[in-house]
Formats: sequence, structure tokens, C-alpha cells
Amino acid sequence: DAKTTQPTSMDCAEGRAANLPCNHSTISGNEYVYWYRQIHSQGPQYIIHGLKNNETNEMASLIITEDRKSSTLILPHATLRDTAVYYCIVRVPARTDKLIFGTGTRLQVFP
Amino acid sequence: DGGITQSPKYLFRKEGQNVTLSCEQNLNHDAMYWYRQDPGQGLRLIYYSQIVNDFQKGDIAEGYSVSREKKESFPLTVTSAQKNPTAFYLCASSIEVGRGTEAFFGQGTRLTVV
Repeated sequence: DAKTTQPTSMDCAEGRAANLPCNHSTISGNEYVYWYRQIHSQGPQYIIHGLKNNETNEMASLIITEDRKSSTLILPHATLRDTAVYYCIVRVPARTDKLIFGTGTRLQVFP
Repeated sequence: DGGITQSPKYLFRKEGQNVTLSCEQNLNHDAMYWYRQDPGQGLRLIYYSQIVNDFQKGDIAEGYSVSREKKESFPLTVTSAQKNPTAFYLCASSIEVGRGTEAFFGQGTRLTVV
């Protein structure tokens, strides 16, 4: 699986958009980009995933660059409950895949 | 409700004892995973299973064992050979969604060796 690079931590004001970047410069053509988040002492929660097109759901938007070497998760109106560690993962959905997590970005939303 | 359940939430073990962590899912998922998380760290993969009666080692399998006798169950045994077992353990299951994969996690078991 391709490795990802994320900033260690970020801050965001409540009500503003939180933009979390992820670099995955070695991503291969059949690997998807996934985002999960983990609120303190809980299990990670799936947010969104995509291959090459931008994606949006009720939680967030995912913007993938045209060369697919980086992506940005956007939380349009961050709330205090969005404070969590956000993980960016790339992987091939296949029978033998591992689902490897990195260290993620710790997002702190402040009032 | 469908979901993935880990038990117990907190577990204390004496040094030198084996202990088994439970993970059950009623989501009909084929794939299941065990992760270990240390304070301030990301998740590290211990074992994973893609199908019943089959499992593979992850990155830190030493000192752990698993079984997958039933689709819904994937218990993890932390053996006395695991040198530093105190950690937060997370179980997950996954399903192919369209052409992607979505994983669901349990709430974790916090193991402390005393």
C-alpha cells in the first residue's frame, strides 16, 4: 500500500471550514483514498472515500488532485465535536488488502 | 442494530497470563481486523482475516494469536510472549461498497498489565 503524509496537527475555529491535506505521491492507479477519524478513546469512524473524482457526503467533501498525488478533506462548518484525529489511507480494495493506518492529523476545533 | 462489539471495555491482566479479547460483528462482513494503538500513536495492524478459517499476520503479530472459526467472531489472544501488552486494542470489519471498502470499528478494549 502507498504511504501517506499528513500534518501532525491543525487548528480550526468553530463554524469555519477545516481543510485537512494528505500527500500520497506514490499512489497507484487502482488505489482509493479513504478518510477516517477517531475521537478520543473510541474506534475510528469512516468518513468518505474516492478514486479520482471529488466526492461529497453528509459529513465531508473529498477533493483529489488531477494527478492523484494529494487530496484534501473538507469539513465545511467545523464544530467542537469534529475535534479528533483524522487518518488518510490509500489502498486497493482487494481480497488480501490490509487497511494500514498512519499517525493522522490531530484537528482541534476551538470556540 | 447491526454493528461490531468488543468486550470487555477495560481489562486487567497479571504479567505472564494469557488473555482473550472478544470481537463480534453482525454485519455479515467477510473481513475482520485487529489493531493495537499506543498513546499518541496511530493504529498498527496485528492480524487480519479475509474469510472464515483463514487469517494473516499484520505488522506486529508476535505475541498474539487469533482464530476465525465463525464469520461473525474474531477473538484475539494476547499471550505471555507479548512483551509490552498494555495498549488500546481495536477490532474492525469491512465490506466492499461499490468498488471501494468501508471499515467499521468497535469501541475498543483497553488492556492493562499489572
